[in-house]
Amino acid sequence: ETGVTQSPTHLIKTRGQQVTLRCSSQSGHNTVSWYQQALGQGPQFIFQYYREEENGRGNFPPRFSGLQFPNYSSELNVNALELDDSALYLCASSAQQGSNTIYFGEGSWLTVV
Amino acid sequence: GESVGLHLPTLSVQEGDNSIINCAYSNSASDYFIWYKQESGKGPQFIIDIRSNMDKRQGQRVTVLLNKTVKHLSLQIAATQPGDSAVYFCAENPGGSNYKLTFGKGTLLTVNP
Repeated sequence: ETGVTQSPTHLIKTRGQQVTLRCSSQSGHNTVSWYQQALGQGPQFIFQYYREEENGRGNFPPRFSGLQFPNYSSELNVNALELDDSALYLCASSAQQGSNTIYFGEGSWLTVV
Repeated sequence: GESVGLHLPTLSVQEGDNSIINCAYSNSASDYFIWYKQESGKGPQFIIDIRSNMDKRQGQRVTVLLNKTVKHLSLQIAATQPGDSAVYFCAENPGGSNYKLTFGKGTLLTVNP
C-alpha cells in the first residue's frame, strides 16, 4: 500500500465528453503528479502540482487540466475526450519537490468509446 | 530530447536464478533514477532508487547499478521468485525543481517455477 488512492478505478466515456479523475495523496505529501499510461507503454508525464499550483507540464494539450486542493488531494480533468485518451491514468505523490521517493496509486482505467 | 530505453523487452528466468534487467538513458543531466515494478492491472510499485553520485545501491534482494560513463542502469534481482513476475520500468529525473519522471517501455520478467 502506497497511501495514494485514486477514483474511480474504471470508467467508460463517450468521445466528446468530459471526465474528472481524483487522487488523494499519501499523508504529508504536498506534491502530486499525473501520468498517462497507454497499453503496453511506460507512463507519460502530464503535469505536476505543488502547493496548489501547476509546476511543470508534459506534452499534453490544454484540454488536460488539473487542480490541487489545500489538503493536497488532486483532480485531473480531460475535456472533449478522444478515443486515444483511453489509458490508465496514474497519480503519484511525493513529500516535496526533490524528495527521493515517488509513490503511485493504482490508477484509473479510462475507456473512451 | 530525453529518452529512457530498455535493452530487453522480455526476460524469462527460472525460479531461484538471479535476474538482470538493463536500461539505457540518454539525458546526461539526469541525477536521479528509480526502478518500478508493475503487476498486471496495478500501478507502478517503487523498488529502489539511486542518485547520480552513487554507482551502486542495495535493497532487499535487489541491487541497482549505475554507470554514468555509458549512461546505463541495471536492476539485479537475487533468487528470483514467481512473485517477481511483472513489468519493470526504469525512470529518470533530470533534476531541478520539476520532478518529472521519464519512463521507458518496460521489460516483462517471467519467472518459471
